[in-house]
Amino acid sequence: EVQLLESGGGLVQPGGSLRLSCAASGFTFSSYSMAWVRQAPGKGLEWVSIISGSGGTTYYADSVKGRFTISRDNSENTLYLQMNSLRAADTAVYYCAKKMVVVAGSDWFDPWGQGTLVTVSS
Amino acid sequence: EIVMTQSPATLSVSPGERATLSCRATQSVSSNLAWYQQKPGQAPRLLIYGASTRATGIPARFSGSGSGTEFTLTISSLQSEDFAVYYCQQYNNWPLTFGPGTKVDIK
Repeated sequence: EVQLLESGGGLVQPGGSLRLSCAASGFTFSSYSMAWVRQAPGKGLEWVSIISGSGGTTYYADSVKGRFTISRDNSENTLYLQMNSLRAADTAVYYCAKKMVVVAGSDWFDPWGQGTLVTVSS
Repeated sequence: EIVMTQSPATLSVSPGERATLSCRATQSVSSNLAWYQQKPGQAPRLLIYGASTRATGIPARFSGSGSGTEFTLTISSLQSEDFAVYYCQQYNNWPLTFGPGTKVDIK
């Protein structure tokens, strides 16, 4: 069974940093692209970033480009999101999600982790 | 950026009735569209990909159709567990974008 378990969320002041982790199990982690998607309280879903299985290709939403960095450790089956220069608008539940298939361009996600809440506030 | 819109924002349906949800894109996404279901306090769950292919384990009462800019998710006979928020997502272009969601609630 595929499992994704996020951690690292919490309360941080504006301008601060946080690193999220997503521990993966139940599949060949290095074969699949992985993504972060966030959801502000009471709002819809917003794609944040994606990284290829090898880690060599990454994409970011404009709203986080230059502030967030996605990475992965395939030896530890773990996905990361380093978040710097955090803003109140970054307050959200952050989900990690597995791309369902390895085929290029097929960027839909299944499954998703349960999420970790990041709150940016003074 | 491709903007996704969904209508209606809220759909009130009685159990056993049919629900039809719409999703539109500001430019063609071919058939590169997925649908997700999200219940309160839970992560989204994939329902449909490729506009019309049900994900593993998704009941046959869920069906997707459409291509280009207009898409539909149909739930043929609503069950109690289907009351949730439904999101569409395009994956034809970067950045990946989601619609704002349609909440299906009990009439």
